[in-house]
Amino acid sequence: VQLVESGGGLVLPGGSLRLSCAAAGLDFSDSTIHWVRQTPGKGLEWIGHIRSRGIGYTAAYSESLEDRFTISRDDSQNMAYLQINGLKTEDTAMYYCARSLEAPFDIWGQGTMVTVSS
Amino acid sequence: EMVMTQSPATLSLSPGERASLSCRTSQNIRSSLAWYQQKPGQAPRLLIYDASTRATGVPARFSGSGSGTEFTLTISSLQSDDFAIYYCQQYNNWWTFGQGTKVEVK
Repeated sequence: VQLVESGGGLVLPGGSLRLSCAAAGLDFSDSTIHWVRQTPGKGLEWIGHIRSRGIGYTAAYSESLEDRFTISRDDSQNMAYLQINGLKTEDTAMYYCARSLEAPFDIWGQGTMVTVSS
Repeated sequence: EMVMTQSPATLSLSPGERASLSCRTSQNIRSSLAWYQQKPGQAPRLLIYDASTRATGVPARFSGSGSGTEFTLTISSLQSDDFAIYYCQQYNNWWTFGQGTKVEVK
């Protein structure tokens, strides 16, 4: 049972990035998948989530974030994605995906590091 | 805006001692609170949800209590593996994390 993130790296300010979250061994299609980021300064910050097909694949995002983040999923591949556009230096963080089903955030990936710098 | 306040920021204790960590919310969240443990280089791990329900595989020395705006995580007898950072999270109104309490060896 695991989630594995990928796609992080060094990006120039203003650039875009798509992070991936691969699921294995869990009930992916019924799970809500969240994206969370962590920085030394701001701690853990919920970015948003995408719900399951049974709840209409609805996505929701933190009100404190700009509309630069888009979450999607592909249940046929057991994958979720986080698209980030217009990257800023303050987006530098470790990005995690996590799932909630019967309990909140009971499975987390190991994280993928995003560094925004010129 | 929901504000989460964890205290203390750092708790210095010896193995075998009892740890009590506090989490306060700026709004009534009923029992919609979780606790996570994070060790260096690792993702957070769910310990407690619905304020007092232990997650699968979590030792019985971890317990959660509270409702409304005041919550407590108690570790009855600290083991060497328990020295870590602990975060609370509310999920009554979207999802918000506290700033964490570091439990360190005295």
